[in-house]
Amino acid sequence: AQSVTQLDSHVSVSEGTPVLLRCNYSSSYSPSLFWYVQHPNKGLQLLLKYTSAATLVKGINGFEAEFKKSETSFHLTKPSAHMSDAAEYFCVVSDSSSNTGKLIFGQGTTLQVKP
Amino acid sequence: NAGVTQTPKFRILKIGQSMTLQCTQDMNHNYMYWYRQDPGMGLKLIYYSVGAGITDKGEVPNGYNVSRSTTEDFPLRLELAAPSQTSVYFCATQLAGGLTSSYNEQFFGPGTRLTVL
Repeated sequence: AQSVTQLDSHVSVSEGTPVLLRCNYSSSYSPSLFWYVQHPNKGLQLLLKYTSAATLVKGINGFEAEFKKSETSFHLTKPSAHMSDAAEYFCVVSDSSSNTGKLIFGQGTTLQVKP
Repeated sequence: NAGVTQTPKFRILKIGQSMTLQCTQDMNHNYMYWYRQDPGMGLKLIYYSVGAGITDKGEVPNGYNVSRSTTEDFPLRLELAAPSQTSVYFCATQLAGGLTSSYNEQFFGPGTRLTVL
């Protein structure tokens, strides 16, 4: 069975400093992995996705993530945080045991950006 | 294109009441999903549909029902509302299956915030 663990429930950074949000996954199959962002009282927006192409994935707003099979990790990074990055971030794995597109969500990491 | 729309945005129900959460999409996507998000948690799948006339249970289906008579609409029905169903409900769509294709991206609606008192 697939699962996702986000290692930090809350991350606080200063504006202009790097962001690292950590995610480990468990999957019996070659996984599809995603990062979604949720701003307060909004729906979810896809930041980036990995689907067995390049292991370094670039997304929107300067975010990127690296798929590391040996470490079963898919950490999200950004070189320089902006105030507008403050939000909830979800690491997500697709249920690859079927063709239904079902997603399995991590519990989320709240990113706080301090001025 | 409106994308994925959900109504209502907010609703307060009394215990035992019933209601239907509406989800409509104009993206011509085959797959549709209902999730719930409890405070401080990720989303959990309630029901999903891979096409008109086909629905299946997700992780937390108890207390809910769905139907999919058209490609565009995927309503979620709550019967006998309970306080445990207080949550934010999200509808999502996906073009099709295909795990390594460009099809496997889900698009989310803005959510319905439901409180059961």
